[in-house]
Amino acid sequence: GQNIDQPTEMTATEGAIVQINCTYQTSGFNGLFWYQQHAGEAPTFLSYNVLDGLEEKGRFSSFLSRSKGYSYLLLKELQMKDSASYLCAVDNYGQNFVFGPGTRLSVLP
Amino acid sequence: ETGVTQTPRHLVMGMTNKKSLKCEQHLGHNAMYWYKQSAKKPLELMFVYNFKEQTENNSVPSRFSPECPNSSHLFLHLHTLQPEDSALYLCASSPTAESTDTQYFGPGTRLTVL
Repeated sequence: GQNIDQPTEMTATEGAIVQINCTYQTSGFNGLFWYQQHAGEAPTFLSYNVLDGLEEKGRFSSFLSRSKGYSYLLLKELQMKDSASYLCAVDNYGQNFVFGPGTRLSVLP
Repeated sequence: ETGVTQTPRHLVMGMTNKKSLKCEQHLGHNAMYWYKQSAKKPLELMFVYNFKEQTENNSVPSRFSPECPNSSHLFLHLHTLQPEDSALYLCASSPTAESTDTQYFGPGTRLTVL
């Protein structure tokens, strides 16, 4: 079966750092995507991790541990515009993407 | 601009109506997808088209009928829907249907079935 878990909601303060976790149990694994989705808008690509470790891209970093079935998205220097849902999605080989339920992040002033 | 457009953005229909959702991508991609996003549920992949050929149908009820006349256009024909079909329907495209390709999403059609 496929199971991807994320916290439902998180709240953080402007300027702070927040870590959004994603754990997965899937029949196959080729890599993991993170997408950002603002309310009423399309998901937009943030990152794709294939190998273990941390990948940094500006204020956003994504980490993967294949042995633990675990990933996280790290957001630094939070801004109000970072308030959105963050979706992790497992690249499940030939079965395309399996999306997690998403984490709704609220950034407070 | 995302390069993937969807029309209409909002649609309200009765259970006996027939309507169609349209998706167009201007990115030169060869794969297109339909997803359903219901409240408090993960994105659900419905259909995949690669080079105009349907390669995946994730056990979607027959009241949803996709059509892909060319690599740039994708339709979702709707008929005799149920209220539980109310959701955001997202179209996406990617260079190929390889699972490693990044998918680019359209803004979605918010569908309400009365």
